[in-house]
Amino acid sequence: GAGVSQSPSNKVTEKGKDVELRCDPISGHTALYWYRQSLGQGLEFLIYFQGNSAPDKSGLPSDRFSAERTGGSVSTLTIQRTQQEDSAVYLCASSSQGARTEAFFGQGTRLTVV
Amino acid sequence: KNEVEQSPQNLTAQEGEFITINCSYSVGISALHWLQQHPGGGIVSLFMLSSGKKKHGRLIATINIQEKHSSLHITASHPRDSAVYICAAKLPSGGSYIPTFGRGTSLIVHP
Repeated sequence: GAGVSQSPSNKVTEKGKDVELRCDPISGHTALYWYRQSLGQGLEFLIYFQGNSAPDKSGLPSDRFSAERTGGSVSTLTIQRTQQEDSAVYLCASSSQGARTEAFFGQGTRLTVV
Repeated sequence: KNEVEQSPQNLTAQEGEFITINCSYSVGISALHWLQQHPGGGIVSLFMLSSGKKKHGRLIATINIQEKHSSLHITASHPRDSAVYICAAKLPSGGSYIPTFGRGTSLIVHP
């Protein structure tokens, strides 16, 4: 498809397990963002990739969270040793280069840690 | 203090009413984005603007760069407009621009 694709759409995992969330951005988009939205809360920035530059990881809440972007395209957000407070919708967005460009969002991955 | 402030937080209207949602930000930005999030979580981009005014159907977005303020207007509101409306300002961060989100305005339009 032409939009941002995220998988899985839903993930239930046991506390302490590791999870991987995937984002396929729009082809050609050099910027990729990960956000999370906890129940009843606003969007929270996690990490930002722009081209070949070092990612901006300033929003990652702990060292259990990491993300990579391979080949400047697909990105994976990994959460190690999941905790119940990690339960949220994880959203990915991509945009083309430039500060005045629109970001397009995926449908998100709803993560539930039980 | 959140760098992007939205008001009101909650808004209830009757079908047909004119609605205004406000967004203000504290530092210079490159662009401001209005988003719509329906129950179920999907986010749809409404407008991206860096100056002036944009119109799409019954939706109008304006921005005043000097006053660091943007508004989203909905004319002839309809129950299907019920959603959370979020503004996101691209704020400078270490040489790049990171979208920073307001807390959202929850709109309910009654028939």
